[in-house]
Amino acid sequence: DTAVSQTPKYLVTQMGNDKSIKCEQNLGHDTMYWYKQDSKKFLKIMFSYNNKELIINETVPNRFSPKSPDKAHLNLHINSLELGDSAVYFCASSEGLAGRGTQYFGPGTRLTVL
Amino acid sequence: RKEVEQDPGPFNVPEGATVAFNCTYSNSASQSFFWYRQDCRKEPKLLMSVYSSGNEDGRFTAQLNRASQYISLLIRDSKLSDSATYLCVVNGANAGKSTFGDGTTLTVKP
Repeated sequence: DTAVSQTPKYLVTQMGNDKSIKCEQNLGHDTMYWYKQDSKKFLKIMFSYNNKELIINETVPNRFSPKSPDKAHLNLHINSLELGDSAVYFCASSEGLAGRGTQYFGPGTRLTVL
Repeated sequence: RKEVEQDPGPFNVPEGATVAFNCTYSNSASQSFFWYRQDCRKEPKLLMSVYSSGNEDGRFTAQLNRASQYISLLIRDSKLSDSATYLCVVNGANAGKSTFGDGTTLTVKP
């Protein structure tokens, strides 16, 4: 009964490749987010979506493209991967408007770019 | 100046100690405040919300001071299992804006 799930859990790939990370929440929440946590453990918001509409895009390179087919899913596609993209990517969801309530996080996807 | 600032620590305390963390925020229009806990190689999880009147949950007490724009977390009678990184979260006046502090690392030692 995982509330927020992400796949894959680990992703190791070469520079220049394109990869996707999937996220699903079964909490019935309206808002979903993507965060990046780098090697220094700083957690930074990348995107937030409310009912499939983009709310926040925090100066993320356009190689990163989120897609929300419905409000329970928010996938992240990354083109032309770079070494600096190596990080843990967390998906999260919350009830109501973006940035208002408690956020529930997925287990994270550890991306390593070689 | 960062929107949300925390003392990174690390805080190394013995079991049974009382420890307090502070977090300051820059946007006076911020609306809601939380403390999250993140264990090593795990996702952040809500520890507690922070209310203006202050709130307590067992050994944990959270306070909000809007005038000085800071929130605090007090942990009494520290347990080994309290060892983690504690993240301060501030939700701003603008929809969608939720800012995490960089975290304070706590290690409780026997």
